Amino acid sequence: SQQGEEDPQALSIQEGENATMNCSYKTSINNLQWYRQNSGRGLVHLILIRSNEREKHSGRLRVTLDTSKKSSSLLITASRAADTASYFCATDNQGGKLIFGQGTELSVKP
Amino acid sequence: EADIYQTPRYLVIGTGKKITLECSQTMGHDKMYWYQQDPGMELHLIHYSYGVNSTEKGDLSSESTVSRIRTEHFPLTLESARPSHTSQYLCASSATGTTKNIQYFGAGTRLSVL
Repeated sequence: SQQGEEDPQALSIQEGENATMNCSYKTSINNLQWYRQNSGRGLVHLILIRSNEREKHSGRLRVTLDTSKKSSSLLITASRAADTASYFCATDNQGGKLIFGQGTELSVKP
Repeated sequence: EADIYQTPRYLVIGTGKKITLECSQTMGHDKMYWYQQDPGMELHLIHYSYGVNSTEKGDLSSESTVSRIRTEHFPLTLESARPSHTSQYLCASSATGTTKNIQYFGAGTRLSVL
């Protein structure tokens, strides 16, 4: 089965609100990454957090990692309609491959 | 935008046809990957390559085959397409010599087999 599980599966918010997505995984990891996918397109890398880091920021993105709980969260602050997309977490367990979660579909209404 | 290109973007074909999905990258990456993704669903790794003349099957069994004769090119072939092959196929690449393993994706090929 896939390593990552994400919740919620879908999230609908208003512009300006914050969006939080969660990801859980099963095995030890080297790093955890978040990707964004616009409808019908490929994935775009957003942010990476290493296993020895607890929090990372990039613009309006904030990622946390709790290796004891094997979980991560992605927070998008002050969301915009253009943030509407699917968001995937992916774990790198040093095997050279990434294992993707099921994704959270975010809808930001203007 | 990543320098990785997939063609065609959309393909509608009849059952039994042979097809090749093209993937090329200009970043000099050694590692390349093929994923299959149904709408709104997770990505499943079907093939990967860590360099020229190196190919491996992924976690999801697939009737497709791949080749890696040149670093920049990683085509996927279906000898006889079936309706069950209808899906989106995503190609990605990543650099070696780094611990980050960030993958760069093409825009995908949406395949529909009638």
